[in-house]
Amino acid sequence: DGGITQSPKYLFRKEGQNVTLSCEQNLNHDAMYWYRQDPGQGLRLIYYSQIVNDFQKGDIAEGYSVSREKKESFPLTVTSAQKNPTAFYLCASSRGSTDGELFFGEGSRLTVL
Amino acid sequence: GENVEQHPSTLSVQEGDSAVIKCTYSDSASNYFPWYKQELGKRPQLIIDIRSNVGEKKDQRIAVTLNKTAKHFSLHITETQPEDSAVYFCAASHTSGTYKYIFGTGTRLKVLA
Repeated sequence: DGGITQSPKYLFRKEGQNVTLSCEQNLNHDAMYWYRQDPGQGLRLIYYSQIVNDFQKGDIAEGYSVSREKKESFPLTVTSAQKNPTAFYLCASSRGSTDGELFFGEGSRLTVL
Repeated sequence: GENVEQHPSTLSVQEGDSAVIKCTYSDSASNYFPWYKQELGKRPQLIIDIRSNVGEKKDQRIAVTLNKTAKHFSLHITETQPEDSAVYFCAASHTSGTYKYIFGTGTRLKVLA
């Protein structure tokens, strides 16, 4: 069953702690993305990756880091430097330049206590 | 910077009526305009898209129109049904390498039975 999987679905973290959100896809897509969704602000791009071992900052990359060591995986680390990390995070993938449709995961809701 | 404005932020219609959501983009290089629907608690999913070489596209009860000169595009839903209730996002992108989308802030559509 092809798709994109995010984990965990819910995550609580204390201030000052780093946390890593997992994103895995078995769609053989080249491109992967991380978006942050806040009420009334739509989807804002954090990082994106076109190919393995390469990634670019999006509009709100400060306080976040990513890696793309495998085509299937694009984990996002929310560091303690992110000033307002409580949000809903969506991972997505697409075939890349030949087809732009984004396929989204179910999201991870991070709450900082 | 690049941005996409979306209006209205909320929209309530009676079942059977039509709904229209409008978006304006700033990057004149944009040439791909998808619309995503996000039902409550679910992931966003593509419902229709349009490329800049086309002025209108229709798929059953939904249609999208594009005015490149004015840099705006609209989603039209006819004969609305309760299952159309969701948040709708527009986006703009240009097809140079990876599709880097700029999303609108979303419209919450409520179809009243």
